[in-house]
Amino acid sequence: SQTIHQWPATLVQPVGSPLSLECTVEGTSNPNLYWYRQAAGRGLQLLFYSVGIGQISSEVPQNLSASRPQDRQFILSSKKLLLSDSGFYLCAWSVLYGGYTFGSGTRLTVV
Amino acid sequence: SQQGEEDPQALSIQEGENATMNCSYKTSINNLQWYRQNSGRGLVHLILIRSNEREKHSGRLRVTLDTSKKSSSLLITASRAADTASYFCATDDSNYQLIWGAGTKLIIKP
Repeated sequence: SQTIHQWPATLVQPVGSPLSLECTVEGTSNPNLYWYRQAAGRGLQLLFYSVGIGQISSEVPQNLSASRPQDRQFILSSKKLLLSDSGFYLCAWSVLYGGYTFGSGTRLTVV
Repeated sequence: SQQGEEDPQALSIQEGENATMNCSYKTSINNLQWYRQNSGRGLVHLILIRSNEREKHSGRLRVTLDTSKKSSSLLITASRAADTASYFCATDDSNYQLIWGAGTKLIIKP
């Protein structure tokens, strides 16, 4: 069966520190992969999506970057975190025109 | 940009009653999807309805789609306390991404 793993569940990082959030998918090949951010009580904002290894599309200019070093691995990074990077980060995968499967999310607090 | 708009923003009903949430969108779509999110958790896919479908059922869930009005509704029948969550609609316009609404917060009172 298909599963998605996202970790850590919570993270508290100081301003200016680096960030690396990892997401891995099992049970499917060549999925579309997504990183979303959700502000409290709000909808989802798409940050990055990838349709293949090394292919990253960015939706909004920001302090973050994404990489897809393997087919089923998607990494969200930052060299220097800002206070405004705090939020709930969600990884997801899908096949074209299909439903999305989400990870359990990472609550990032930048202090 | 945000395309889907859920209505109402918040809904509070008694357990056992039916809950109806609506979603409107602006452009042509391939499909429309509904998701549930429990507080502080990831989203769970509920139903996908394609643009050539008008109604779809899954257990106590019924989704309708009216492409002429660019709107969809999600009906939860015989609500339970466990249905308390935020519900989001999202439209797929074949651009490798979903366009999300801001969600409806549903509270089921025991």
